[in-house]
Amino acid sequence: NAGVTQTPKFRVLKTGQSMTLLCAQDMNHEYMYWYRQDPGMGLRLIHYSVGEGTTAKGEVPDGYNVSRLKKQNFLLGLESAAPSQTSVYFCASSLAGGDNEQFFGPGTRLTVL
Amino acid sequence: RKEVEQDPGPFNVPEGATVAFNCTYSNSASQSFFWYRQDCRKEPKLLMSVYSSGNEDGRFTAQLNRASQYISLLIRDSKLSDSATYLCVVKRGGQNFVFGPGTRLSVLP
Repeated sequence: NAGVTQTPKFRVLKTGQSMTLLCAQDMNHEYMYWYRQDPGMGLRLIHYSVGEGTTAKGEVPDGYNVSRLKKQNFLLGLESAAPSQTSVYFCASSLAGGDNEQFFGPGTRLTVL
Repeated sequence: RKEVEQDPGPFNVPEGATVAFNCTYSNSASQSFFWYRQDCRKEPKLLMSVYSSGNEDGRFTAQLNRASQYISLLIRDSKLSDSATYLCVVKRGGQNFVFGPGTRLSVLP
């Protein structure tokens, strides 16, 4: 099993460009999450999904959109990238309900110039 | 003030030492608590959940004090492989998890 995978691993964008980050999991998990990690800030939740076709906002959703068209995939979109979105983005997944362990992908390092 | 705060670190300790990390949280409605570990430039991984009665997993002991809104992690007999950043995580409600900024530990030979 690959677990949680993220594509791409690295990306450099110019201000105003758009891109989509792909997260895929093969563990049949119901819940999926997108976080960003910045120095000294800890991970912050952007959006999450509790099932196929559903999404919800986290702590820092502005400037991002998400879609969960298939259970195994969770996409994070940046419509018009800004330098403030330079960060490391982590996707995670977990079983439904309770306090199940979150399994994280290896991260995507995004730089917006 | 951040919702979850941790000792700023870094902690530099010799092999075999005992080290304790502290974490405080400000939202009294927080429901669940965890410690994750993150190696340099890697993804976080669950170390252990934290229960009200306290819990132990080998050399690791976690304690929760709901009245003081305080969580701790104790590592006994530190190994070189324990070098990492330790993240305190609090679940507010629903699926909203709040991560602390982390405390970096370096175990020295």
